[in-house]
Amino acid sequence: KAGVTQTPRYLIKTRGQQVTLSCSPISGHRSVSWYQQTPGQGLQFLFEYFSETQRNKGNFPGRFSGRQFSNSRSEMNVSTLELGDSALYLCASSHQTGVSSPLHFGNGTRLTVT
Amino acid sequence: DAKTTQPPSMDCAEGRAANLPCNHSTISGNEYVYWYRQIHSQGPQYIIHGLKNNETNEMASLIITEDRKSSTLILPHATLRDTAVYYCIVSEAGANSKLTFGKGITLSVRP
Repeated sequence: KAGVTQTPRYLIKTRGQQVTLSCSPISGHRSVSWYQQTPGQGLQFLFEYFSETQRNKGNFPGRFSGRQFSNSRSEMNVSTLELGDSALYLCASSHQTGVSSPLHFGNGTRLTVT
Repeated sequence: DAKTTQPPSMDCAEGRAANLPCNHSTISGNEYVYWYRQIHSQGPQYIIHGLKNNETNEMASLIITEDRKSSTLILPHATLRDTAVYYCIVSEAGANSKLTFGKGITLSVRP
């Protein structure tokens, strides 16, 4: 089985711009979660989608949003980029939500905001 | 805040067992213990998880104390490729997608 695929791998944007990141989960996985990783804050949960519905949301401003499509693929969007949004954005999928099934992570999109 | 405490770093010799400790003294009855690792420039990789009983898979063994307040991840024969940051996380089954990662423990495997 192919793993979680995230595109693009690297991205450079300017302050004030917006960006869209894409995630394709493992085939058959219906839950997709997004995490932000920075050297200062570590890995932080952004949000989770299951069957096109947002199930959980972390403590991030409304500039961070996401969606999930009927084929379980997911996108996250960050509007009005700030320098502090520079981070590794990780997507993870799991077979189900609400059970103990583990997360399978992609290798992330490295976003640099200048 | 992470509900686990791990030492910041440890090392072991290649070929030897690596025993990574984790304290989770406030764990509740319906919370699982998960272990993930992150090798530089990659996303976290799931290793193993358990509730009460010890668990073993092809990667590692997880030993959970009877009172569930601590656990140990055992890599039986560490290799250089096991050098990574290892995260111990406790989470309810219903929140398996909303994990709270701490700082983890950096394992360095030396030749």
